[in-house]
Amino acid sequence: DIQLTQSPSFLSASVGDRVTITCRASQGISSYLAWYQQKPGKAPKLLIYAASTLQSGVPSRFSGSGSGTEFTLTISSLQPEDFATYYCQQLNSYPLLTFGGGTKVEIK
Amino acid sequence: EVQLVESGGGLVQPGGSLRLSCAASGFTFSSYSMNWVRQAPGKGLEWVSYISSSSSTIYYADSVKGRFTISRDNAKNSLYLQMNSLRDEDTAVYYCAREFRDYYGSGSYSTFDYWGQGTLVTVSS
Repeated sequence: DIQLTQSPSFLSASVGDRVTITCRASQGISSYLAWYQQKPGKAPKLLIYAASTLQSGVPSRFSGSGSGTEFTLTISSLQPEDFATYYCQQLNSYPLLTFGGGTKVEIK
Repeated sequence: EVQLVESGGGLVQPGGSLRLSCAASGFTFSSYSMNWVRQAPGKGLEWVSYISSSSSTIYYADSVKGRFTISRDNAKNSLYLQMNSLRDEDTAVYYCAREFRDYYGSGSYSTFDYWGQGTLVTVSS
């Protein structure tokens, strides 16, 4: 099974900060990676797929990069509504799809 | 507007059974593969099961294989998850999620583009 390791698992930041979250895969997954945002009590929301393609309607302050085993999600200027938990997901090895452990972004 | 609405969750004793449903609207349900994903209280996301648009291909996570059965009724725009021999560790919010495929050249990128609001399953005596 492909394991995904997110870092950090917890992040404290201020409005306006640039935030970067890393997702490392245990083996190469090309660009078959997605990022989701989840707020408490809500379903996950798709932000980025194919490692760097922004989902329709998602603000341009979100961006994704990487391929192979290392990926990043960047929020260029953190907004109040961005405080949430973020998950990466690999879609390279159907059917054993896996998610990262999550990164919780909290207000400093 | 795409909508996915889960139902059927509740409290069940260990060893019991439960059937979850996911009602889809706002898109051509029969054209999309679907998934179930769960989240234990305070924990991360775990993919549970996949079914192709025609039901010809089905996958399960090892943790539920042999106990859970995914199915769909395209005429009713509905997805189901039959859960048997439930265990404490099956306690979670269960989400249905639509698979979206973005095709390029000879391949495609897939992702889960729409999710339901989730239904809570609690396994406890």
